[in-house]
Amino acid sequence: KAGVTQTPRYLIKTRGQQVTLSCSPISGHRSVSWYQQTPGQGLQFLFEYFSETQRNKGNFPGRFSGRQFSNSRSEMNVSTLELGDSALYLCASSLAPNDRGLSYEQYFGPGTRLTVT
Amino acid sequence: TQLLEQSPQFLSIQEGENLTVYCNSSSVFSSLQWYRQEPGEGPVLLVTVVTGGEVKKLKRLTFQFGDARKDSSLHITAAQPGDTGLYLCAPKTSYDKVIFGPGTSLSVIP
Repeated sequence: KAGVTQTPRYLIKTRGQQVTLSCSPISGHRSVSWYQQTPGQGLQFLFEYFSETQRNKGNFPGRFSGRQFSNSRSEMNVSTLELGDSALYLCASSLAPNDRGLSYEQYFGPGTRLTVT
Repeated sequence: TQLLEQSPQFLSIQEGENLTVYCNSSSVFSSLQWYRQEPGEGPVLLVTVVTGGEVKKLKRLTFQFGDARKDSSLHITAAQPGDTGLYLCAPKTSYDKVIFGPGTSLSVIP
């Protein structure tokens, strides 16, 4: 069974631009979560989608948005990029949202390394 | 805001040594997961603990959930270079949100 795939793996953008990152979950998984990982802040939750609906959202500005398609694939978009948006963006998939059972499991992709110059 | 601490922040040991890393909070958690992340990769789930006082073993790794479900520890016996990575604890809060600790970066030197 193929794992979670994320594209692109590396991306360099300049301030003010926007970027779209893509995530394909494990086949059969319907929940996708996005995280931002930086050396200073660690791994922080961005949002979670299930059945094309955003279920949870972290404390990030409105410049960060996402969506999920009917095939469970998900995209996240960051508009008006800032230097501080440089990070590893991780996508994780699970069978169901994390509020359904104590022992849910989520599987992470390799991430997209975004550098904003 | 939930305060979640992991200690030590960095750990460098020789192959064959034993080590313990900790995850602590003042909050009670419904469950807790441990992940290992290797450079350039996403975190990989190692274990989920649910019951206070629970102990789970995964080969040379022993995980314990505190009796009060506020803390957890990970003990590695006879560490190997393949154990090198960032160890993240990820408790699930009473609001069903998963939060990640800052991690312990482990380096096992051959």
